[in-house]
Formats: sequence, C-alpha cells, structure tokens
Amino acid sequence: EDKVVQSPLSLVVHEGDTVTLNCSYEVTNFRSLLWYKQEKKAPTFLFMLTSSGIEKKSGRLSSILDKKELSSILNITATQTGDSAIYLCAVEIQGGSEKLVFGKGTKLTVNP
Amino acid sequence: DTGVSQDPRHKITKRGQNVTFRCDPISEHNRLYWYRQTLGQGPEFLTYFQNEAQLEKSRLLSDRFSAERPKGSFSTLEIQRTEQGDSAMYLCASSLGGGGTQYFGPGTRLTVL
Repeated sequence: EDKVVQSPLSLVVHEGDTVTLNCSYEVTNFRSLLWYKQEKKAPTFLFMLTSSGIEKKSGRLSSILDKKELSSILNITATQTGDSAIYLCAVEIQGGSEKLVFGKGTKLTVNP
Repeated sequence: DTGVSQDPRHKITKRGQNVTFRCDPISEHNRLYWYRQTLGQGPEFLTYFQNEAQLEKSRLLSDRFSAERPKGSFSTLEIQRTEQGDSAMYLCASSLGGGGTQYFGPGTRLTVL
C-alpha cells in the first residue's frame, strides 16, 4: 500500500527560527512529490518536485527531493507568525488517475 | 476564473438525510478529483474524472456515494443516507492532464448529527 509519512507531526517555534519538515514515502509508481500549505481551508500549492537534488525555492521556503532516500524536506527560514499552518506532503502516483497520496501533515505554530 | 470553487462551504445534516455538493474546477482543467479529509489526517482520494468519464474510484467510496461530471465541467458528489462517520471536509481539486499540478477548492465541511 502506498504510504507517505511526515515528521514531526507538530512543531512550535519562535518567530525568526528556521524549521525543517520531513517527508518520506513508499509508493509503487512515483511521479512527483508536492508540498501544500493548509490554513483552515483548502491546501494551497507550494512546490512540485520531480528530480532528485534540485532545490526549489520561493522566498523563505525551499524544498528538495532525494529519490535515493525516498524523502523530501521543506525548509522555512526566518519564520513569521503567518507561516503557522499545516504543511502537507503528497506523492503523485504515476498511471491512471495520477492521484495524490498525502501524509498526515506537520502542524507548525510560530509564536511571536 | 481564479480557482476551484465549491458549494456549499458548510453543511449540517441529520443522519439518514441525503446531501449533494458541487465543485466547479478551473475552466481549462480536464481532470477533476474528490478527496475527503478528517481531523488530523491528510486528504484521502475518493474519485477521479477525466472530462465527463469517471475513471477511478477508491474503495473508500461506498455504495452510498455517487459522483457525476455530466458535461465535463462542474461535478457533484452525493451522499445518500448519511452516517455520522461521513462527517469530514470534502475537497475538490482540478488539474490539466499530463502531470499538471492539482489545485484545490475551499472544501465543503459536512457535519452529520
């Protein structure tokens, strides 16, 4: 069965800290890995990663995929209270529907 | 069109009633997905449409659930004889085929009393 595991499940930091969120996966047919941010509503898209070792960056957020280790990390530098959210990792399964298999998410709380 | 829309945003119903949700995808997207998310969990895949054809259904989708996408545009998800275990957020996503990113709507939060 396809599985995505995120760690930690919960994280509390102070504004200005740097955080690293982890995602590991075991799936039959990997196509891509995606990161989403969810704040009490729909998940909003952050990154899609398909190639190992190539960092994707958007402002203070960055992410990289390691296909050998079947994992990805999401880094957030200089955290702000607005970064407080649940960060979801999903793997897109190749073939057919190309559905997403999600992890449980990491709940990040950034305190002022 | 700025994104995926869903209606209603919240629905409270009594056990045994039928409910129907609507999803309007991003206009040029041919793929449409339904997911269900319960508290503390990530979204779980329910079903998938390519244009008007429903091509995949999860085993999570019991016989009480039915989905349609009649003209390949908007989609409806109906739950018959609702049970308390159906309480969840129902999310719709759409994408342009061939590995396009799935974009999510705001979801419909269902509460079954």
